[in-house]
Amino acid sequence: NAGVTQTPKFRVLKTGQSMTLLCAQDMNHEYMYWYRQDPGMGLRLIHYSVGEGTTAKGEVPDGYNVSRLKKQNFLLGLESAAPSQTSVYFCASSYSGIQAFFGQGTRLTVV
Amino acid sequence: GENVEQHPSTLSVQEGDSAVIKCTYSDSASNYFPWYKQELGKRPQLIIDIRSNVGEKKDQRIAVTLNKTAKHFSLHITETQPEDSAVYFCAAPRYSGGGADGLTFGKGTHLIIQP
Repeated sequence: NAGVTQTPKFRVLKTGQSMTLLCAQDMNHEYMYWYRQDPGMGLRLIHYSVGEGTTAKGEVPDGYNVSRLKKQNFLLGLESAAPSQTSVYFCASSYSGIQAFFGQGTRLTVV
Repeated sequence: GENVEQHPSTLSVQEGDSAVIKCTYSDSASNYFPWYKQELGKRPQLIIDIRSNVGEKKDQRIAVTLNKTAKHFSLHITETQPEDSAVYFCAAPRYSGGGADGLTFGKGTHLIIQP
């Protein structure tokens, strides 16, 4: 039972490049979330999903897209990376919206 | 949406002493308040949570208290140990309800345990 797994763990992008972050959970959770963490800012919600095939915007969605084609996977895409997207990204999943379990994080640097 | 304020941003205590971190929230309908601990370079991990139908919850050396009238909740750590050093985050549901729409987090408290 791996819990929540994020891929990759580290990535460096050039401005304007695109990439996809993958989040996989094996707990059969309905709800999945993408947060970003910046120094002194806590965690801020980017996008979330309340079930397979659904997505919704969170607090800071601009510049990101998501997809939830399978219940266990939640993908976060950056179409044209900007230095302001340098951050640590955390995926989380939850059975009912409470007691969220986080992945190990992806440290993204955009140069 | 919910607004969560957390204080202090840094807290230094002597090993063995108690530590208290306080959070306030804005939505009186919020009903779930978790606390997460994040060690350096690691993921946030849930350490304790409380529902709005109780005023206090304990788990060994940690406890959380909730004051719905004043709209604040606090994390209490007693007999602090070096392994308690970490950043602690409080949170509340973004919208009224149980958190399905995600959580709003405080900005974190860096707890330092002095030997």
